[in-house]
Amino acid sequence: DTAVSQTPKYLVTQMGNDKSIKCEQNLGHDTMYWYKQDSKKFLKIMFSYNNKELIINETVPNRFSPKSPDKAHLNLHINSLELGDSAVYFCASTRTAMNTEAFFGQGTRLTVV
Amino acid sequence: QQQVKQSPQSLIVQKGGISIINCAYENTAFDYFPWYQQFPGKGPALLIAIRPDVSEKKEGRFTISFNKSAKQFSLHIMDSQPGDSATYFCAATGSNFNKFYFGSGTKLNVKP
Repeated sequence: DTAVSQTPKYLVTQMGNDKSIKCEQNLGHDTMYWYKQDSKKFLKIMFSYNNKELIINETVPNRFSPKSPDKAHLNLHINSLELGDSAVYFCASTRTAMNTEAFFGQGTRLTVV
Repeated sequence: QQQVKQSPQSLIVQKGGISIINCAYENTAFDYFPWYQQFPGKGPALLIAIRPDVSEKKEGRFTISFNKSAKQFSLHIMDSQPGDSATYFCAATGSNFNKFYFGSGTKLNVKP
């Protein structure tokens, strides 16, 4: 069983569209994250949720809206997509919000054309 | 301000050689320092991690060396193999941070 699963793996869309990426973890972890990996491979935190509550929002444009319906799921909705949003988005989870091992999903490669 | 600085950006090593990747951190409140390995098309996966109460941790061919006074830590891959070719990220975090600060990554290529 995949510990952290994201869908879709690839997403190609036009500028201005709205799209969502879904993430689920079956590890029983309390904390989930969205990271963005740019073309230079740099990993940057976007959001963090602990038990469905937002605990980190790292100066991400309002067009990005995370939603956590329960602690096993963290979805990312993006409005009015821009070319600069093209990147690989990774979902991750940790057992707690403290400093423990992070498990990453396989990533969603978003391409905005 | 980048909290974790990683070098080199890329590294080419012959099979059987030693690969060394270095990281330096800023915040003395960090107390957990993992290394992640990422293969193309995959998410990062934990390779090995260290806490500042020890200066070295070894798991198989992988060793972390930690220098608390210099605020530096490094990953050593002994007897490097072509299968080790991947991008390696160091990271740092602590009890009060709720997130990982990642280095910029090192692309390792082990030549057969």
